[in-house]
Amino acid sequence: AQSVTQLDSQVPVFEEAPVELRCNYSSSVSVYLFWYVQYPNQGLQLLLKYLSGSTLVKGINGFEAEFNKSQTSFHLRKPSVHISDTAEYFCAVSLNAGNNRKLIWGLGTSLAVNP
Amino acid sequence: DTGVSQNPRHKITKRGQNVTFRCDPISEHNRLYWYRQTLGQGPEFLTYFQNEAQLEKSRLLSDRFSAERPKGSFSTLEIQRTEQGDSAMYLCASSPWTGEGGYTFGSGTRLTVV
Repeated sequence: AQSVTQLDSQVPVFEEAPVELRCNYSSSVSVYLFWYVQYPNQGLQLLLKYLSGSTLVKGINGFEAEFNKSQTSFHLRKPSVHISDTAEYFCAVSLNAGNNRKLIWGLGTSLAVNP
Repeated sequence: DTGVSQNPRHKITKRGQNVTFRCDPISEHNRLYWYRQTLGQGPEFLTYFQNEAQLEKSRLLSDRFSAERPKGSFSTLEIQRTEQGDSAMYLCASSPWTGEGGYTFGSGTRLTVV
């Protein structure tokens, strides 16, 4: 079975500072990896995904993530955050084989960007 | 294409009443998923469809919950005899068959059972 652990439930940061949101996963088979963002009272929006190939993945809004197979991690980074980045961020995995593309989710990291 | 549409956005109901939510996926997406999300938690998988076939249901989906996708297009999620524990955000998402690109989510339906 797969599982996802987001190591920080809350991350406070000042505007224009860099940020890293940490995600580790557990799986006995290969997976696809995703980061989603959720603004208050909204649905989830895909930030970026890792399917294969280059381990550094760039997404929307200036975010990027690096897949590290040996450490089973997929940490999300942004070099300089804005107030508007304040939101809940979710890491998720799905199997990359077979018919099932069900997503397994972490509990989320609440990013609070302060002026 | 207007993305995934969910209606209603908000629903307040009395305990014991039945409620039905609707999801209209992206038209060319043949996979449709329902998730439930409570405050401070990640989404929990409920069920998914490939076209009109319901391929998997979570143990979370008690016999009070039923989902349909009769023509492989829109889907409905019905909760019978609602309980206060059913209060949550119900999220619908769709994807192409391969699903590798991740899902596109709707804005959700927030259910409050009073």
